[in-house]
Amino acid sequence: SQTIHQWPATLVQPVGSPLSLECTVEGTSNPNLYWYRQAAGRGLQLLFYSVGIGQISSEVPQNLSASRPQDRQFILSSKKLLLSDSGFYLCAWSVHWGGRINEQYFGPGTRLTVT
Amino acid sequence: AQSVTQLGSHVSVSEGALVLLRCNYSSSVPPYLFWYVQYPNQGLQLLLKYTTGATLVKGINGFEAEFKKSETSFHLTKPSAHMSDAAEYFCAVSGANAGKSTFGDGTTLTVKP
Repeated sequence: SQTIHQWPATLVQPVGSPLSLECTVEGTSNPNLYWYRQAAGRGLQLLFYSVGIGQISSEVPQNLSASRPQDRQFILSSKKLLLSDSGFYLCAWSVHWGGRINEQYFGPGTRLTVT
Repeated sequence: AQSVTQLGSHVSVSEGALVLLRCNYSSSVPPYLFWYVQYPNQGLQLLLKYTTGATLVKGINGFEAEFKKSETSFHLTKPSAHMSDAAEYFCAVSGANAGKSTFGDGTTLTVKP
């Protein structure tokens, strides 16, 4: 069966510090991968998605970046965190068939607080 | 292009009452439609999905949704609410953009005893 891992579960970082969040998927090949953010009381904001190794699409301009060094590994990074980067970060994967995305499977999330 | 509108950011029902969460979509191609549930501090879980075929789809925890093409709707219902149904619910559409789905803003369901 497929499993998705995210770590760490919680993180408190000072403004201006770097960030690295990691997501790995097991039990599937060539998945689409996604990073979302939820700010307090708000919906899902798609940050990045990837349809293959080294292929990253950015949805919103910001000081975050993403990389996919391996088929089932997706990393979210920042060189210098801002207060506005605080939120709940979710990684997800899906398969693609019929010309469109099928359901997505979400990780447990990382709660990031920037102080 | 594809988009989702969830009517009502907050819905409150009494335990045992009907649950109705509304979702309207737009898509330039026949859509795939999804409902997800999110409990506090957790990731989203798939409740149900529509791809093709039968327009009334049943999901987990007694939820169901009906795809109505003429109304571009995919409303989520449950005949009798339970306290454990209190959560946030997201509708999503997958259409012409082969790389991603589009999510609604979510509806928070409160169940009163």
